[in-house]
Amino acid sequence: AQSVAQPEDQVNVAEGNPLTVKCTYSVSGNPYLFWYVQYPNRGLQFLLKYITGDNLVKGSYGFEAEFNKSQTSFHLKKPSALVSDSALYFCAVRDIGTPLVFGKGTRLSVIA
Amino acid sequence: EPEVTQTPSHQVTQMGQEVILRCVPISNHLYFYWYRQILGQKVEFLVSFYNNEISEKSEIFDDQFSVERPDGSNFTLKIRSTKLEDSAMYFCASSDTGGDYSNQPQHFGDGTRLSIL
Repeated sequence: AQSVAQPEDQVNVAEGNPLTVKCTYSVSGNPYLFWYVQYPNRGLQFLLKYITGDNLVKGSYGFEAEFNKSQTSFHLKKPSALVSDSALYFCAVRDIGTPLVFGKGTRLSVIA
Repeated sequence: EPEVTQTPSHQVTQMGQEVILRCVPISNHLYFYWYRQILGQKVEFLVSFYNNEISEKSEIFDDQFSVERPDGSNFTLKIRSTKLEDSAMYFCASSDTGGDYSNQPQHFGDGTRLSIL
């Protein structure tokens, strides 16, 4: 069965600095990988996905993620963090025909 | 941009009562999902629904739960005889088909907070 690990409960970064939110996954086949963001009292918003092709995926709000097959990782990145990026970030993985499995989430705090 | 809408935003129910959570998926989407998020924990898959039947369900989705698409727009989750541990945020999501449905992003509603007393 597939699984996702987000090793950090909390990531703190200064505004304007680059940010990374880590994610590793385990899946038997070729993974479909997703990042979602959750703001307080809101549902999850889709940021980006990896299906196949280029290892660097670009998404909404200037976010990108790098797929690394050998390390089974899919870290979320942004070159310059904004205070408004502060939220809860979820990595998720799916194999063909199976349910989406989420990580436990990482709370990102961007400090002005 | 089209959205998934959920009602009510907060539902308080006595233990043992039945509750129905309602969702209106994005109109041209064909796959529908329910998830739950217990406070402070991760988002857990409950059930997926396609072509008027359940396509996948998790161990959580036992006989206490049922889903229905009663008309062309609504998608409901019913919980019979609620328990204290059913207290959680319940999210509805929908996705397009567009080939392999597994790689389509799911669009989430803002959730219904269910509190069982």
